[in-house]
Amino acid sequence: ILNVEQSPQSLHVQEGDSTNFTCSFPSSNFYALHWYRWETAKSPEALFVMTLNGDEKKKGRISATLNTKEGYSYLYIKGSQPEDSATYLCAFNDYKLSFGAGTTVTVRA
Amino acid sequence: EPEVTQTPSHQVTQMGQEVILRCVPISNHLYFYWYRQILGQKVEFLVSFYNNEISEKSEIFDDQFSVERPDGSNFTLKIRSTKLEDSAMYFCASSRDSGNTIYFGEGSWLTVV
Repeated sequence: ILNVEQSPQSLHVQEGDSTNFTCSFPSSNFYALHWYRWETAKSPEALFVMTLNGDEKKKGRISATLNTKEGYSYLYIKGSQPEDSATYLCAFNDYKLSFGAGTTVTVRA
Repeated sequence: EPEVTQTPSHQVTQMGQEVILRCVPISNHLYFYWYRQILGQKVEFLVSFYNNEISEKSEIFDDQFSVERPDGSNFTLKIRSTKLEDSAMYFCASSRDSGNTIYFGEGSWLTVV
């Protein structure tokens, strides 16, 4: 079982503020790292698939970076909005996904 | 936008009963998966399926579990004799290939009583 850790477990952000959180994963035998956004009662929404060290991907106000040598990825939310409230999951892909426990973001208006 | 669909959304079953959870993956996808999340725990991998056979399974996926692709569109997970600890949200997922984005359904919430 691969150890994928996310921190913090939860955070509260004021609307308009930016925030970021971490996913750490085994740095050996890296294949890909996935980020998902998951709202209650909905399916996890795929945000990014990251494969290359130094990769930076962006989708609207959300972006992610990847460091495969040290085994971490950051997810950034710029100018948080209430609709960004969700649990953000990262998953290490070695032909199956090993998920972290998620970071639950609550954006206060 | 194509999506993975799952039925039922919620099922309550008695311990020892058989349960079949159904999924319709995205139509041009070749890889199919089942994951589950027990309340309060991480999402866990159960099984992956490719070319009409299991390609990988976790230690959770014991003899009580089976998967099938009975026709060109459905992908099912069967739990032969449910236990209390099988209560979880079960997610079906599919992808075009093993390195691409994996798309998830909304989940089937199974409660074993």
